[in-house]
Amino acid sequence: GENVEQHPSTLSVQEGDSAVIKCTYSDSASNYFPWYKQELGKRPQLIIDIRSNVGEKKDQRIAVTLNKTAKHFSLHITETQPEDSAVYFCAASRSGGYNKLIFGAGTRLAVHP
Amino acid sequence: DARVTQTPRHKVTEMGQEVTMRCQPILGHNTVFWYRQTMMQGLELLAYFRNRAPLDDSGMPKDRFSAEMPDATLATLKIQPSEPRDSAVYFCASGPTSGTETQYFGPGTRLLVL
Repeated sequence: GENVEQHPSTLSVQEGDSAVIKCTYSDSASNYFPWYKQELGKRPQLIIDIRSNVGEKKDQRIAVTLNKTAKHFSLHITETQPEDSAVYFCAASRSGGYNKLIFGAGTRLAVHP
Repeated sequence: DARVTQTPRHKVTEMGQEVTMRCQPILGHNTVFWYRQTMMQGLELLAYFRNRAPLDDSGMPKDRFSAEMPDATLATLKIQPSEPRDSAVYFCASGPTSGTETQYFGPGTRLLVL
């Protein structure tokens, strides 16, 4: 069945360093890949997304890259800050008709001052 | 800034009691999702609706859970009877009609079954 694997499950970095989270998906028909950030006790919030017709997308300190051939995509956070500490979820879905998101298991990112 | 709303935000109940959680999707969104999140766990899809019709509820224990959309502005998730293992945060999310698969999450209902 459809599956999204996410690594690592936990990530600890020093403030100012970069953080990279990687996801691999199984459904080759997937063409929409969002990333959600969930702070403790809060709702998951969309931070960036990418579609299969684009290889990379940036928004200030965050960027997402997509390799459709290898069926993996990654989240890159540069110049990390303590407020980046949260759980990050990747997801994948097909478009048209069914837009069920298949979520990864999440990565707990801790940014230490 | 339109947002998905959920009520109640917190619920403490005793085992065996009925629990009803409500969700108001963003106006104009026609797809509604229910997720469950337990401590240290990811997001488990329970059910989702499009244009008020259930598309997939395979993730939901049907002997005790039920999900409905009485109208376009209200989705409900019921547990009857509730059990301690149902303790979790239940999120509702909604998505627009077409053109994007983006989902927007509500604040969640934190359920504790004693």
